[in-house]
Parts: sequence; structure tokens; C-alpha cells
Amino acid sequence: GENVEQHPSTLSVQEGDSAVIKCTYSDSASNYFPWYKQELGKRPQLIIDIRSNVGEKKDQRIAVTLNKTAKHFSLHITETQPEDSAVYFCAAPREYSTLTFGKGTMLLVSP
Amino acid sequence: NAGVTQTPKFQVLKTGQSMTLQCAQDMNHEYMSWYRQDPGMGLRLIHYSVGAGITDQGEVPNGYNVSRSTTEDFPLRLLSAAPSQTSVYFCASSPTRLAGGPNEQFFGPGTRLTVL
Repeated sequence: GENVEQHPSTLSVQEGDSAVIKCTYSDSASNYFPWYKQELGKRPQLIIDIRSNVGEKKDQRIAVTLNKTAKHFSLHITETQPEDSAVYFCAAPREYSTLTFGKGTMLLVSP
Repeated sequence: NAGVTQTPKFQVLKTGQSMTLQCAQDMNHEYMSWYRQDPGMGLRLIHYSVGAGITDQGEVPNGYNVSRSTTEDFPLRLLSAAPSQTSVYFCASSPTRLAGGPNEQFFGPGTRLTVL
């Protein structure tokens, strides 16, 4: 089955800095890579996703890049704000739209 | 639309007790699934369903049963609770796959379960 590795496990940045979280996957047939944000005590919420037919996707301050050859994808957050503080999960597809998740990155943005 | 709903929000059980975690969605999604979330482990798939009457096992199915009698509901049953099942449980639903691959998973608010 699919295996997803996520790094780093924790990331501390100053407000206004950029943050990068990286994930690798094992199944070369995987074709969909979402990123979820989870605030304390809340449900995971999709913030951005990318399909394997594109190499990069942007949505305002967040972007995701995909390298299919190397089997890794990354989340980039620019101009970080305190409200970006949360746990971020990458994921890769299993059967029927279910997901295999990475273990998460706790992002702390200090004012 | 209420989206994906779960009850209860919190539950404390004693070892050996049984209970059912409820999940419902009003988006007419065919696919539904259950995940558990443990500290430092991310979310792990327990069971999933691709439609009424059809269920299958995920990554960590032991100790859990599911059934899907309607499109809307997908309950998760713990037959004999164990302390190792202390976790946060999330139900999710998704529309049928697109030709281009999987669709977004929509998560419920979660049930925090403690087994003593």
C-alpha cells in the first residue's frame, strides 16, 4: 500500500516568513495529493490539492509543488500569519477517494 | 446542508463495553469512511464504504465493525472496547470518483473516545 512520509514534524517561523512542508510517497501510480489544515480540536479541512497532470498550483499565499519523478510534493506558505498556526497533513490516495496521511507538521507562527 | 455530522462529541467507556459512533451526511455522497487520529500518527483509515450495502477494510480495521444500509448513514461499532481504542474518530464522505482521480474528503467534527 501507499506510504507517506512528512517532514518536519514541527516548524516555528516568525510572522511574515515563508514555511515549507515536504512529503514523499511510495506509489508511482498515485495521482492526487491534498493538503489538510487542522486547528486544535477541529476537523481537518482541505486547503489545497494537486493532481498529477500539473507541477504547481497556487491559491493566494499557499502553493503546492509536485515532482512525480522523485515522488515528492511540498506545501509552501508565504507571508505567514499567526492564524496559519495549526497542524498540516499531506495525503496520497488509497482506494475510492480514501487517503493515506502523513503524520503531520505542527506549524507555529510567532508574532 | 449540515454536511457530515457525528454523534456523540465525547464518550467515555469502560474496557469491554460496546458502543456505536454515528455518522451521517446530507450531500448524497456515495463514498464514506472512518479514520482514527492518535497523537503523532496522523489519520489512519479504519473502514470505508462505496455505497449502500458495500463496505471494506482499511489500514486498522481490527476491533471495529461497520455497515451501510442507507446512503446517508455509516455507523462505526466497537464490540468490546479496549484502552488501545482511545482516540479521536473522524467520519468522512466524498462524491464518486472523477475520471481524473479521487475527490475531496469532507470530514465530520469528530468523536473523542476514551476507554478506561
